[in-house]
Amino acid sequence: DAGVIQSPRHEVTEMGQEVTLRCKPISGHDYLFWYRQTMMRGLELLIYFNNNVPIDDSGMPEDRFSAKMPNASFSTLKIQPSEPRDSAVYFCASSARQGGAGELFFGEGSRLTVL
Amino acid sequence: GQQLNQSPQSMFIQEGEDVSMNCTSSSIFNTWLWYKQEPGEGPVLLIALYKAGELTSNGRLTAQFGITRKDSFLNISASIPSDVGIYFCAGRRNTGGFKTIFGAGTRLFVKA
Repeated sequence: DAGVIQSPRHEVTEMGQEVTLRCKPISGHDYLFWYRQTMMRGLELLIYFNNNVPIDDSGMPEDRFSAKMPNASFSTLKIQPSEPRDSAVYFCASSARQGGAGELFFGEGSRLTVL
Repeated sequence: GQQLNQSPQSMFIQEGEDVSMNCTSSSIFNTWLWYKQEPGEGPVLLIALYKAGELTSNGRLTAQFGITRKDSFLNISASIPSDVGIYFCAGRRNTGGFKTIFGAGTRLFVKA
């Protein structure tokens, strides 16, 4: 079974540009999480969804960040406009409440560099 | 907000040595999880703990869920070079959804 799939793996952009990160969760998982990882702050939870509905977005830094989950197999994290301080690795993770006690399965991450 | 204090931040050890790291919190968690992250990859689950006092092993790894539910530790016995990576603790409360909070990580370096 395929794991969590994220794209792009690497993105370099200029300040002010719009960035869209994509995630395909593991089929059958009903929770999807977006995390941001930096050296200074570690792994920060940005937002998570249950059955495509956002449950907690208190970790979203500011209005420049938005996340959507239009269906069970796809989610996006958008930054508009991007700033250099947004440079980080963004991870998507999915989980199933039924069985496995809800362990998070992470994608390989999207490394964003904003110049 | 909820915070997990993980220590040590980094460890430099010799192959064959045992390793111990821990995580503490001011809040109670219902689940403690330990993950390992290797360069260029996402974290991968090592051990999950669901009951206070639970002691669980996975090969050379042993983890315990503290009695107070506010702490957990991970031990690695007889370390080998491939143990190198970042180890994260994570805590989750069953109320309020599935929100999982991560510690800052322990960077492990193993010298052959």
